[in-house]
Amino acid sequence: ETGVTQTPRHLVMGMTNKKSLKCEQHLGHNAMYWYKQSAKKPLELMFVYSLEERVENNSVPSRFSPECPNSSHLFLHLHTLQPEDSALYLCASSQDDSALHTDTQYFGPGTRLTVL
Amino acid sequence: AQSVTQLDSHVSVSEGTPVLLRCNYSSSYSPSLFWYVQHPNKGLQLLLKYTSAATLVKGINGFEAEFKKSETSFHLTKPSAHMSDAAEYFCVVSDSNRGGSQGNLIFGKGTKLSVKP
Repeated sequence: ETGVTQTPRHLVMGMTNKKSLKCEQHLGHNAMYWYKQSAKKPLELMFVYSLEERVENNSVPSRFSPECPNSSHLFLHLHTLQPEDSALYLCASSQDDSALHTDTQYFGPGTRLTVL
Repeated sequence: AQSVTQLDSHVSVSEGTPVLLRCNYSSSYSPSLFWYVQHPNKGLQLLLKYTSAATLVKGINGFEAEFKKSETSFHLTKPSAHMSDAAEYFCVVSDSNRGGSQGNLIFGKGTKLSVKP
C-alpha cells in the first residue's frame, strides 16, 4: 500500500493556475508512469520514464509537463488546464528489465484533480 | 495490436455466492495478463498476473483466473464473495514482446462488482 505515494490526494484549481502533482516510489524500481483515469473511459497512459529518461509520450497536450529528477520521484506540472482535464491521475512504477519482459506495475492512490 | 474486452460493466452477487468477471483479449504476441482491483478513492492493486507459466493463476484475497488460449479468455473467479470485494476490477493485457517499460499496458473499461448482504 505505501510502495507508491502521491500528493496531494485532492486538488482543485482554476484554469489559470499552475500546480504540480508529486509521486514517490519506495520499491527500488527504475521506471515510472503517469496515467489519466476519466469517468467511463479506460486508463490512458500519459508518460513513461525509464532510468529517468522519457521513453513514451502518448500525444499528451503540452499543458501537462512531466519531470523525473531521479528514479524515485516523478512530477506532473500543470498549467492552463481545461475542465475536461478533471480526472484521477495515477502514478505507477515498475522494474524495467527488457530481457525478462517484466511488466508488473504498482500504482499509487492517485490525485483527484478538479479544474474549475 | 493488443486489446482487452470486459464483457460486463457491472456484476452484482450476494455475499457467499461465486464471482465471475469475464475478460477476453486479443494479442499478436504471447501476452502477459493481469487483473487489478480498485476500491473507491484508492489506486489500483494487483490481484494476479499470468506470464505463460501455469494457466491457472492464484491471486490475493481468494481470487484466481484461468488463461484459455483457445477462447482468448482470462476470466476472474472467486468461490465465495465477501462484502469487502465490492470494487472495480480491471483486466489488463501487456504486449510483453516489447518488455519492461517499453511495453504498454492495455486496460479494459472495468467491471464494477457489487456484493449484496
